[in-house]
Amino acid sequence: DAKTTQPNSMESNEEEPVHLPCNHSTISGTDYIHWYRQLPSQGPEYVIHGLTSNVNNRMASLAIAEDRKSSTLILHRATLRDAAVYYCILRDSGGSNYKLTFGKGTLLTVNP
Amino acid sequence: SAVISQKPSRDICQRGTSLTIQCQVDSQVTMMFWYRQQPGQSLTLIATANQGSEATYESGFVIDKFPISRPNLTFSTLTVSNMSPEDSSIYLCSVDPVRTNSEQFFGPGTRLTVL
Repeated sequence: DAKTTQPNSMESNEEEPVHLPCNHSTISGTDYIHWYRQLPSQGPEYVIHGLTSNVNNRMASLAIAEDRKSSTLILHRATLRDAAVYYCILRDSGGSNYKLTFGKGTLLTVNP
Repeated sequence: SAVISQKPSRDICQRGTSLTIQCQVDSQVTMMFWYRQQPGQSLTLIATANQGSEATYESGFVIDKFPISRPNLTFSTLTVSNMSPEDSSIYLCSVDPVRTNSEQFFGPGTRLTVL
């Protein structure tokens, strides 16, 4: 799986937007960009994924650069419950290997 | 979607013993995965467990240490054998119910402490 690079940590204030960056300069044409988050003492949970176009769902938005070498997860209004480790993962859609390879992720702290 | 439960949720074990962790899914799924999360670290995939075939282990993990069973489409077990303090971790199972490039669902994890 191609590698991603994320900041180790970020801070935000409650009710403000949060932009979590991810670099994936070696992304291939068949790699989807997935985001998961892990709240304290819980298993990871899916947030969003995309291939080329920007994506929105009830949890977040995903902005993908035109060259696909970077992406940004956007939380529109951070809440205290959004404090978690956020993982950006590239997942190859071209084969039968569905495993996820987790990097170190970004620890998001949300201040009240 | 899929709801996953794991048993036990936590355990404290003595060196040299073995522990079997159970993973139960509320729907039939083909692909199940077992991960380890060492203290303060990210998740590392141990193996992929598909029903009807032998588990596929990742580099650094062997069947003798982490035997896996997958008797049906809703259940799997991971055994941590001959434990040492270095095996103290959270062990998580996950499933990919749709087998497309969509989301995986994770269990709550089993927190293992080896003394």
